[in-house]
Formats: sequence, structure tokens, C-alpha cells
Amino acid sequence: EAQVTQNPRYLITVTGKKLTVTCSQNMNHEYMSWYRQDPGLGLRQIYYSMNVEATDKGDVPEGYKVSRKEKRNFPLILESPSPNQTSLYFCASSLREGYTEAFFGQGTRLTVV
Amino acid sequence: KQEVTQIPAALSVPEGENLVLNCSFTDSAIYNLQWFRQDPGKGLTSLLLIQSSQREQTSGRLNASLDKSSGRSTLYIAASQPGDSATYLCAVCAGNMLTFGGGTRLMVKP
Repeated sequence: EAQVTQNPRYLITVTGKKLTVTCSQNMNHEYMSWYRQDPGLGLRQIYYSMNVEATDKGDVPEGYKVSRKEKRNFPLILESPSPNQTSLYFCASSLREGYTEAFFGQGTRLTVV
Repeated sequence: KQEVTQIPAALSVPEGENLVLNCSFTDSAIYNLQWFRQDPGKGLTSLLLIQSSQREQTSGRLNASLDKSSGRSTLYIAASQPGDSATYLCAVCAGNMLTFGGGTRLMVKP
């Protein structure tokens, strides 16, 4: 089954403790991206990747890092999480940027206390 | 900067009604427009994708139209069912990102 898989689905952590949210897709897609969803602000892009070793900032990249060492994986790294990073996070992939359909993971609900 | 607006923000209808959800965007230089469904606490499920060169797409009881020149799209849901209750999001793609509207929260009452 074609899918985008995120882990973990739920995470509660403390301020400053480094964490990684994993994202994997099995569709051989070139393009992957991370979004966060907040009440009243909607979905906003954090980072995106056009292919292996090609990443760039989205609208709200501060406090986040990403890497794309393999085509199927695009982890989101929070080096020193803060309470304002409490949010619902989504990973997405598409065949390539632009004209193709985007597929989303099930989301990771992160709480930073 | 692209801005996407969805009206209404919330909608409650009795089962069986046909309904229209609206999406407007400010910059017509888009690659495509996509409609998604989001259930509470869940991910986004793609419903329809309309390329910028297309006028409409249909899938089952859903029909989405696109008028790029006026910056508008509509999602038509025929014969609504309680299982259609969810938040519907439109997103426009221009280059490296999707820009989302705030969503329409739909409740279909039995």
C-alpha cells in the first residue's frame, strides 16, 4: 500500500531535549516536506526536499533541522524543543515538486512542556 | 505572497443535501489546486487534484472546479452523508510549497 509513515504519532517531551520525528514514504517520490498545523494559523511549511541531499527552508524553519540522506526518508529534528513548538506535524511527499498530487502522513502530535 | 481563504468556516446540513464549499486564492500563478479531507486527529486525505490547465475534476459524489483567472475553486458534494462530516481543506501549489486555506468544518446530520 502506498503510504507516508510518521513516527511517533504522539510525543510529550521536555524543553531542550533533542528529538527526531521520522518520515518514510514507499512511493519513490522525489519531493518531501514537513508542515505544522496550529489552531487559527492553519498548515505552514517548515522545510522541504526536492531530492536526496537537497533541502531548503519553508515558511517557518526556525528551531528545526532536516536531512535527506535516502530518497524514502526525511526526518525532522528539533535540537532544543521549546513550548512554542507544541503542534501537530505532518510529513508529505509527491512524485516531484509542482504538478503532482501530495500525500500526507497521519501526523505527529508533539507537546513540549 | 499567496493567501488562500475558505468560506464558510463551518457548515451544518441535514443528510441528503447538495452543498458547495468555496476556496479563493490571491495569486493565479499556480501549478495545481488540491482538495483534502481531514478527520479529527487524523492526517490529510487527498480528494481531488486539479491541474492549472483544467477546469474541473470529479470523483464519485465530489466535483471540484477551478477558475484560475478569478482565483476561485469550489468543491461540490452531492447527496451528503453523515460520513462526509470532516474538515475540508483546499491548497494551492506554486513551486515549492502548498499554501492551505483555513478549512471548512462540515457536519452532516442524520
